[in-house]
Amino acid sequence: EVQLVESGGGLVKPGGSLRLSCAASGFTFSSYSMNWVRQAPGKGLEWVSSISSSSSYIYYADSVKGRFTISRDNAKNSLYLQMNSLRAEDTAVYYCARDSPGLMGVIDYWGQGTLVTVSS
Amino acid sequence: EIVMTQSPATLSVSPGERATLSCRASQSVSSNLAWYQQKPGQAPRLLIYGASIRATGIPARFSGSGSGTEFTLTISILQSEDFAVYYCQQYNNWPLITFGQGTRLEIK
Repeated sequence: EVQLVESGGGLVKPGGSLRLSCAASGFTFSSYSMNWVRQAPGKGLEWVSSISSSSSYIYYADSVKGRFTISRDNAKNSLYLQMNSLRAEDTAVYYCARDSPGLMGVIDYWGQGTLVTVSS
Repeated sequence: EIVMTQSPATLSVSPGERATLSCRASQSVSSNLAWYQQKPGQAPRLLIYGASIRATGIPARFSGSGSGTEFTLTISILQSEDFAVYYCQQYNNWPLITFGQGTRLEIK
């Protein structure tokens, strides 16, 4: 069974930093591109960042470019999101999400999410 | 950026009836369109990709259609568990994938 379990969320002050983690299991993690997608309270879904299976290709939404860094450790079956210079508008549930095999951009599995709150 | 617009924002339908949800893209996305269902407090679930292909385990009462800029998700006979928020998403402009703002399907 595919499982994606996020951790690392919490309350942080504006300008602060946070590192999210996602532990993957039930599939060959090193074979899949992965994503972070966020959802502000009561709002819709927003793609944040993607990383290819071997970390060769990394992409960011303009809203987080230069502030967030996505990475992965295939030996540990883990995905990460380093978030710096956090702003109030970064407040959201952050989902770790797997690309469907052979269908880049189609997300077939999602974690349950971790809440990040940016507030003074 | 490709903007996805869903209508209506809220749809009220009785159980057992048909629900039709719409999604429009600001430019052509070919058939690179997916639909997701999200229930309160849960992560989204993939329903449809390729505009009309049901994902694994998705009941046949869910169907998708359209291409280019106009898309439709139809739920033929609404069950109680189908009341949720539905999002369309384009992946034609991958990696810059974008979602619609969602349609809330509520019990009439």
